Amino acid sequence: SQTIHQWPATLVQPVGSPLSLECTVEGTSNPNLYWYRQAAGRGLQLLFYSVGIGQISSEVPQNLSASRPQDRQFILSSKKLLLSDSGFYLCAWSVGTGYARSPLHFGNGTRLTVT
Amino acid sequence: AQSVTQLDSHVSVSEGTPVLLRCNYSSSYSPSLFWYVQHPNKGLQLLLKYTSAATLVKGINGFEAEFKKSETSFHLTKPSAHMSDAAEYFCVVSEGAGGFKTIFGAGTRLFVKA
Repeated sequence: SQTIHQWPATLVQPVGSPLSLECTVEGTSNPNLYWYRQAAGRGLQLLFYSVGIGQISSEVPQNLSASRPQDRQFILSSKKLLLSDSGFYLCAWSVGTGYARSPLHFGNGTRLTVT
Repeated sequence: AQSVTQLDSHVSVSEGTPVLLRCNYSSSYSPSLFWYVQHPNKGLQLLLKYTSAATLVKGINGFEAEFKKSETSFHLTKPSAHMSDAAEYFCVVSEGAGGFKTIFGAGTRLFVKA
């Protein structure tokens, strides 16, 4: 069966510090991978998605970047965090392109607080 | 263009009574529709999905939803609420393969009273 791992679960970082959140998927090949952010009291915002190694699409211009160095690894980064980067970050995967109507499968999320 | 509207920001029920969480959608194509549940500080868990097969979809934990094309609705129901059902629920519409044309509703917070 497929599993998705996301870490760390919680993170407190000062303004201006770098960020690296990691997500890995097991039990599937060539998944589509996603980073979402969920701000307090708000819905889910798609930040990045990837359909393959090295292929990243950004949905929202911002202080963050994403990379996919391996097929089942997705990393969210920032060089300098802002207060507005605080939120709940969720990694997700779905069956790769060509399989219509595949649901998203989420990790347990990372609670990021920028102080 | 697709959109999804969850008609209630919060719903409160007593344990043992029915649950109804309402969702309307808009889509230019034949959409896929999903319901997810999120417990505090957890990721979203798939409850059920509609993908153009049977209009009445049964999911996990006793939940089900009915796709009504004429009403553009996909309401989530459960005959008897349990305390563990207290969580946030998201209605989701997707038009394309791969998930990047997925739109989330704003969520409905379900409170269950003892």
